[in-house]
Amino acid sequence: AQTVTQSQPEMSVQEAETVTLSCTYDTSESDYYLFWYKQPPSRQMILVIRQEAYKQQNATENRFSVNFQKAAKSFSLKISDSQLGDAAMYFCAYRSGINAGNMLTFGGGTRLMVKP
Amino acid sequence: DVKVTQSSRYLVKRTGEKVFLECVQDMDHENMFWYRQDPGLGLRLIYFSYDVKMKEKGDIPEGYSVSREKKERFSLILESASTNQTSMYLCASSLGGASGGREQYFGPGTRLTVT
Repeated sequence: AQTVTQSQPEMSVQEAETVTLSCTYDTSESDYYLFWYKQPPSRQMILVIRQEAYKQQNATENRFSVNFQKAAKSFSLKISDSQLGDAAMYFCAYRSGINAGNMLTFGGGTRLMVKP
Repeated sequence: DVKVTQSSRYLVKRTGEKVFLECVQDMDHENMFWYRQDPGLGLRLIYFSYDVKMKEKGDIPEGYSVSREKKERFSLILESASTNQTSMYLCASSLGGASGGREQYFGPGTRLTVT
């Protein structure tokens, strides 16, 4: 079974600075997808960014980018120019490429605090 | 805009009660999921459904059952609530099919307290 580990329960960053959230995963598969989801306080969880394992290029979405290291099984999220609205729980998630049910395996989460 | 709604934001039940958590999605998604979220453990899959009347166990199905009689509605049932089922419950939905990293859309969650 796949496992996803987020080793940082809490992180803090100064507004306008850059922060990197870590995620490692364990799998024997070569085809899979990785995701970062954001859960703001008292609000619904939303997708931040996704990465297909077969793509070498790191995914980017505006201020959010990933550093995908397939051999190291590492998938970190970089948030540039941090804003107060970035404060949230962030979850890393894994989906098998052969998973017809689209099931996700989540990490334990990292709480990001943004200081004004 | 995809919308996933859950019947209650907060729920307090007594030990031994039968509890129903309802989830409705409005985007004709084939897949629906129930997770529980606990601090430090992230989200753990309880059950999922890929079609009406179809269900599959997730990682932690013990003490739970589900029902999907209509495509848009997926219910989680706690047959006899226990204090260790106090948690945040999240419903999600997604398009079906095996290909692609299909996004899951989440509801706002139900915080259940069993006393």
